Amino acid sequence: DAMVIQNPRYQVTQFGKPVTLSCSQTLNHNVMYWYQQKSSQAPKLLFHYYDKDFNNEADTPDNFQSRRPNTSFCFLDIRSPGLGDAAMYLCATSRDQRDTQYFGPGTRLTVL
Amino acid sequence: GEDVEQSLFLSVREGDSSVINCTYTDSSSTYLYWYKQEPGAGLQLLTYIFSNMDMKQDQRLTVLLNKKDKHLSLRIADTQTGDSAIYFCAESMGDYKLSFGAGTTVTVRA
Repeated sequence: DAMVIQNPRYQVTQFGKPVTLSCSQTLNHNVMYWYQQKSSQAPKLLFHYYDKDFNNEADTPDNFQSRRPNTSFCFLDIRSPGLGDAAMYLCATSRDQRDTQYFGPGTRLTVL
Repeated sequence: GEDVEQSLFLSVREGDSSVINCTYTDSSSTYLYWYKQEPGAGLQLLTYIFSNMDMKQDQRLTVLLNKKDKHLSLRIADTQTGDSAIYFCAESMGDYKLSFGAGTTVTVRA
């Protein structure tokens, strides 16, 4: 009955090698979010989609991109991962921008 | 998370009650949330309270909101080992943004 699904749960990549993380949802929510969470820190919002409208946070590095090909799926692309990008990446969804956010299980990214 | 503050650690004996405290600064907050994060997992929504409420109870969980002092607390009754986790307080300003606290690590000892 998973509602927000993230694949893979663990991803290992090499320094500078592009990587894509995947999120899907069965809730038919309008909004999908990507957060970065480093060890012992709170989640930090990278960007979100309201339907097809992309909203980037001001301090999100250009290295991070996102795609939302349809309502159910959203991807996080890291063009050239650095060691500092190793983190847990969390996807969340909400029905509307003011509604409760539901999180997926996260993808743990390791950069070698 | 600089607008939301939580104590970092709480140790509690199994069977006792846990109380996790949070303070926030934005009086225009509409919803306040408690999320639970177990090791290596995502954030699980535990409960939330609307800003015009003082209290919300849901089984073992009780949320108290003091708007005047901008203080939110989460009480877990009869704490179990499965309650060991990091608990995040978060406030919503009514737009898409959630402002998280740094998280309180709760350790339940036998």
